[in-house]
Amino acid sequence: KAGVTQTPRYLIKTRGQQVTLSCSPISGHRSVSWYQQTPGQGLQFLFEYFSETQRNKGNFPGRFSGRQFSNSRSEMNVSTLELGDSALYLCASTPGGAGDTEAFFGQGTRLTVV
Amino acid sequence: AQTVTQSQPEMSVQEAETVTLSCTYDTSESDYYLFWYKQPPSRQMILVIRQEAYKQQNATENRFSVNFQKAAKSFSLKISDSQLGDAAMYFCAYRSSGAGANSKLTFGKGITLSVRP
Repeated sequence: KAGVTQTPRYLIKTRGQQVTLSCSPISGHRSVSWYQQTPGQGLQFLFEYFSETQRNKGNFPGRFSGRQFSNSRSEMNVSTLELGDSALYLCASTPGGAGDTEAFFGQGTRLTVV
Repeated sequence: AQTVTQSQPEMSVQEAETVTLSCTYDTSESDYYLFWYKQPPSRQMILVIRQEAYKQQNATENRFSVNFQKAAKSFSLKISDSQLGDAAMYFCAYRSSGAGANSKLTFGKGITLSVRP
């Protein structure tokens, strides 16, 4: 079974631009969550999508958005990039039920904003 | 809101020795899961061990075991017979498991574990 795939692995963007990151979950998983990891703030939850609907949202500005497609693949978008958006962005997938016992993570997308 | 605290930013252990990583959490919920994740330099988050809050027995996975103290809201990880491959960043994480729960994980700040040969 293929794992969680995130693309691209690395990105360099200029301040003010926008960026789209992609996450393909494990086959059969319907929930995709996104996390931002920085040295200063650690791992922070961005949002979760389940069956194409946002089920939970963290405390991030509206510049951060996401969506999920019918095949459960998810994208997150960051508009008007700021230097502070430089981070490792991780996505995790689970089947999506209350009994989920493990989240499976991708290898992340390293975003650098210059 | 739930919080997870890992107060030790770094720890070091001699190969083949035992090390314990500490974690405390705060929650008003009764149903939840606790996890330890490992993040090596490859950045891939790997589940090390999980504990269901309703289970009194401490979870064990080979060389990894936990000391779960529900009343004290403490969840420490013990690594026995440490190996060079155990060197990584370790994160303690919390997830609700009651009705209506979603998949959100709340992480601690992490601890960097180094293993001395």
